Amino acid sequence: DAKTTQPPSMDCAEGRAANLPCNHSTISGNEYVYWYRQIHSQGPQYIIHGLKNNETNEMASLIITEDRKSSTLILPHATLRDTAVYYCIVKGGTASKLTFGTGTRLQVTL
Amino acid sequence: DGGITQSPKYLFRKEGQNVTLSCEQNLNHDAMYWYRQDPGQGLRLIYYSQIVNDFQKGDIAEGYSVSREKKESFPLTVTSAQKNPTAFYLCASSKLAGVGNEQFFGPGTRLTVL
Repeated sequence: DAKTTQPPSMDCAEGRAANLPCNHSTISGNEYVYWYRQIHSQGPQYIIHGLKNNETNEMASLIITEDRKSSTLILPHATLRDTAVYYCIVKGGTASKLTFGTGTRLQVTL
Repeated sequence: DGGITQSPKYLFRKEGQNVTLSCEQNLNHDAMYWYRQDPGQGLRLIYYSQIVNDFQKGDIAEGYSVSREKKESFPLTVTSAQKNPTAFYLCASSKLAGVGNEQFFGPGTRLTVL
């Protein structure tokens, strides 16, 4: 599975959009980009995933660049409850595991 | 409500004792997983199972054992052979192992070995 690079931390004002970047320059053609988040002392929560096209659901939007070497998770109107560690994961082929890095710690402030 | 349950939430054991962590899901998922998380770190895969009565080692299986006798249940035993068992343990499940099927996680069990 391709490795990912994320900034260790980010801040966002409540009500503003939070844009979390992820680099995955070694991604291969059959690998998906997944995003999870983990609020302190809880299990990770699935947010969204995509292969090539941009995706949107009730929680977030995922923008994948045309060359697929990077992506951005967008929380359109961040709230204090969105404060968490966000993990960008690339998974594909027959691999079953999710390889978690250290993620981005998003702090949403008033 | 459908979901994954893990019990107990907190567990304390003396060094040298085996301990079994429970994981149950009612999502009708085929695959189940066990991960370990240490402070400030990401999750690491211990074991996973794609079907009843079958399971595979993950990245850090030494000192752990699992069973999958029922589709709904995937208990993890932390044995006395595990050198550093104090950690946060997370169970997950998914429809099918492989591409494009997201994993859903339980609330976790925090194990402390004294």
